[in-house]
Amino acid sequence: DIQMTQSPSSLSASVGDRVTITCRAGQTISTYLNWYQQKPGKAPKLLIYAASSLQSGVPSRFSGSGSGTDFSLTIRGVQPEDLATYYCHQSYISPYTFGQGTKLEIK
Amino acid sequence: QVLLQESGPGLVKPSGTLSLTCTVSSGSISSNNGWSWVRQPPGKGLEWIGEIYHGGSTNYNPSLKSRVTISLDKSNKQFSLSLSSVTAADTAVYYCMAVRPDLSAPPSWGQGTLVTVSS
Repeated sequence: DIQMTQSPSSLSASVGDRVTITCRAGQTISTYLNWYQQKPGKAPKLLIYAASSLQSGVPSRFSGSGSGTDFSLTIRGVQPEDLATYYCHQSYISPYTFGQGTKLEIK
Repeated sequence: QVLLQESGPGLVKPSGTLSLTCTVSSGSISSNNGWSWVRQPPGKGLEWIGEIYHGGSTNYNPSLKSRVTISLDKSNKQFSLSLSSVTAADTAVYYCMAVRPDLSAPPSWGQGTLVTVSS
């Protein structure tokens, strides 16, 4: 199985901050990497697919980058509604695996 | 993007079989999607269970493979999950998901359904 390691596990940010979450794959996955936002009691919401493609309707303050084994999700100008847990997900090789999640808190 | 909706019993007895169905709307079940199941135990992370393609081929998570069957019903635009010999550890929100192997389209998720294993 490809292990997906996210860092940090949690972080606290002020409104307007720039935040970066990283995801490292245990082996190369090209750009088969997706990012999700999950709020309590809700299904994961797709933010970024194929490492850097912004899902329709997602604010442009979210962006993704990376290829191979190292990826990142950046939020430019954090908003109060960004309070959530963020997950990376590789769909390169079965079994498809998820990162352990990064919990974003707003100061 | 396709629209997905899970359905099935919310309560299953220990040692029983968990059965869920995902209905595909606003899209073709014969498209080149991997029709998947993912679960999330309360307060924990996401675990991929397995997938089926329109031709019937399947892939399963090795950790669950001995207990899982995923099947496809093209006529009703549905795919199903069967998980046998369940225990309390199988209590989770179960999601269905559609992912293109080449990510030529964004993945789609259902809203999820909570299944509790309890007597």
